[in-house]
Amino acid sequence: AQKITQTQPGMFVQEKEAVTLDCTYDTSDPSYGLFWYKQPSSGEMIFLIYQGSYDQQNATEGRYSLNFQKARKSANLVISASQLGDSAMYFCAMREESNSGGYNKLIFGAGTRLAVHP
Amino acid sequence: EADIYQTPRYLVIGTGKKITLECSQTMGHDKMYWYQQDPGMELHLIHYSYGVNSTEKGDLSSESTVSRIRTEHFPLTLESARPSHTSQYLCASSGRDFHTDTQYFGPGTRLTVL
Repeated sequence: AQKITQTQPGMFVQEKEAVTLDCTYDTSDPSYGLFWYKQPSSGEMIFLIYQGSYDQQNATEGRYSLNFQKARKSANLVISASQLGDSAMYFCAMREESNSGGYNKLIFGAGTRLAVHP
Repeated sequence: EADIYQTPRYLVIGTGKKITLECSQTMGHDKMYWYQQDPGMELHLIHYSYGVNSTEKGDLSSESTVSRIRTEHFPLTLESARPSHTSQYLCASSGRDFHTDTQYFGPGTRLTVL
């Protein structure tokens, strides 16, 4: 079963507008972490923001915020005041606790390609 | 700012050649990972390491092998490259933040096997 679902293969936004990228997840573990990464066309994965399952407040990092709705199992990324440099693939990922206690597995969604238009 | 490096960035090689993809990090992270990613697709874990002399296979079966002799170094080797190995390979490390265990990625190696 797919554990991270990103239903938007592609999104368009006008420069300076806000955009929301959707992410839903599935887990029975009460302790987990949610991440968003940005992947420009150059290929590197850039960490953007983290939300822990026990965090009471939505995470924010500059123009990025995470709309965390635990009961609905969603962790949408909101980018405010979009810039041309925001054009990239965006991946949602979930960290599950490992059974062995050593390695925390990171599961990625299929990604959303965001295009920012001038 | 993550300090994790991968070389080469791009590699085009013929079938049957042995290749080694290099990955190094200067953050003192104990955990390191290798992911494989086809263009525009999700990442799949192929190898990971808890620390020196510790390596494990990931979720995606891979003919590659890894070694972890030094904390900072986690090379990936393909003994005999095939066209099916054409992909992007991303190295990552974690361990600085115990609470989040955030993985930081290198710039990736784009491998093409002819």
